Amino acid sequence: GENVEQHPSTLSVQEGDSAVIKCTYSDSASNYFPWYKQELGKGPQLIIDIRSNVGEKKDQRIAVTLNKTAKHFSLHITETQPEDSAVYFCAASINDMRFGAGTRLTVKP
Amino acid sequence: DTAVSQTPKYLVTQMGNDKSIKCEQNLGHDTMYWYKQDSKKFLKIMFSYNNKELIINETVPNRFSPKSPDKAHLNLHINSLELGDSAVYFCASSHGGLSTDTQYFGPGTRLTVL
Repeated sequence: GENVEQHPSTLSVQEGDSAVIKCTYSDSASNYFPWYKQELGKGPQLIIDIRSNVGEKKDQRIAVTLNKTAKHFSLHITETQPEDSAVYFCAASINDMRFGAGTRLTVKP
Repeated sequence: DTAVSQTPKYLVTQMGNDKSIKCEQNLGHDTMYWYKQDSKKFLKIMFSYNNKELIINETVPNRFSPKSPDKAHLNLHINSLELGDSAVYFCASSHGGLSTDTQYFGPGTRLTVL
């Protein structure tokens, strides 16, 4: 089955800096790659997603890139703010959704 | 107007008991899911239901049984609870059952087995 690895497990940045989280997947047939943000005590919330026919997608301060050849995809957050602090999960989907282990992002004011 | 809701939010119980967690979605979605998030935050799918049919069943003990009275509800029943069942359980739903359908998660139920 699909195996998703996510790095780093923790990330601390200063407010205003950029943050990058990277994920790799094992099954080249995976065709959907969402990113979720989970705040303390809440469920994961979709923040951006990308499908396998697209290489890059951007939504304001958030962007995701996909390299199908290398089987990796990344989340980029620019101009980080303290409210961006949360756990971020990547996922890859073929028949079902497989999640990475999560990255705890801390944005220091 | 919550999209995916779960009850209860917290559940504390003794080993050996039987308990249920309820999930409802008002999005008109066709597929619902249950996930388990362990203490290390790892999210793993347990079940999904599409039009009352189980379409995914991971290697989950048969003490866990999903029950869907209608398309808007997918409840999780757990028999003979064990210490290792302690986790946060999330319900989710999607429009269809395709791998490319976006899933929307509920707020979670923290289960603690003593």
